[in-house]
Amino acid sequence: DAGVTQSPTHLIKTRGQHVTLRCSPISGHKSVSWYQQVLGQGPQFIFQYYEKEERGRGNFPDRFSARQFPNYSSELNVNALLLGDSALYLCASSFSVTYGYTFGSGTRLTVV
Amino acid sequence: QQQVKQSPQSLIVQKGGISIINCAYENTAFDYFPWYQQFPGKGPALLIAIRPDVSEKKEGRFTISFNKSAKQFSLHIMDSQPGDSATYFCAAIMDSNYQLIWGAGTKLIIKP
Repeated sequence: DAGVTQSPTHLIKTRGQHVTLRCSPISGHKSVSWYQQVLGQGPQFIFQYYEKEERGRGNFPDRFSARQFPNYSSELNVNALLLGDSALYLCASSFSVTYGYTFGSGTRLTVV
Repeated sequence: QQQVKQSPQSLIVQKGGISIINCAYENTAFDYFPWYQQFPGKGPALLIAIRPDVSEKKEGRFTISFNKSAKQFSLHIMDSQPGDSATYFCAAIMDSNYQLIWGAGTKLIIKP
């Protein structure tokens, strides 16, 4: 069984640029969540989507946006990148809204 | 009130010993407490989880102890092995919410 797939695995961007990160959930999972993990810290919640609707949003600026497609895959978009956006971005999928999250290996974003 | 405090930040245990990681929370609305294991370059993987109506849960060498009155829970790894060397995160979530609240992580090193 394929797990949660994230692309790209690594990315280097310049300050002010825009980035799109992609996530394919486990087959049958309808919920996708995004987390930001800064080095040495626990992940911070960014968004959750369930059945293509936003169900939750963390304390992140409007530069961060996301969407979920009819096939339940998801994109996370970040505009006007800042050096502080450098982090590991994790996508998690689950069958239910709340439990049983399976995480992908993440996208390592470096902003220079 | 949304925080989960985790200690210690790092832990070195001899092979065959018991590794103990502690977490504390404030919000009594949390009703699900998972532990995640993360290896370098990988996303977190669910290890074991507990609900507050249970005082202990054991799965193989991993045990969660839960003290509802003290609002504390801990992970015990029995017969610790070098392959257990990883970063461990405790987390908490509410049925009515969608975001995992994470501890800061414990870097565990098992010495052969």
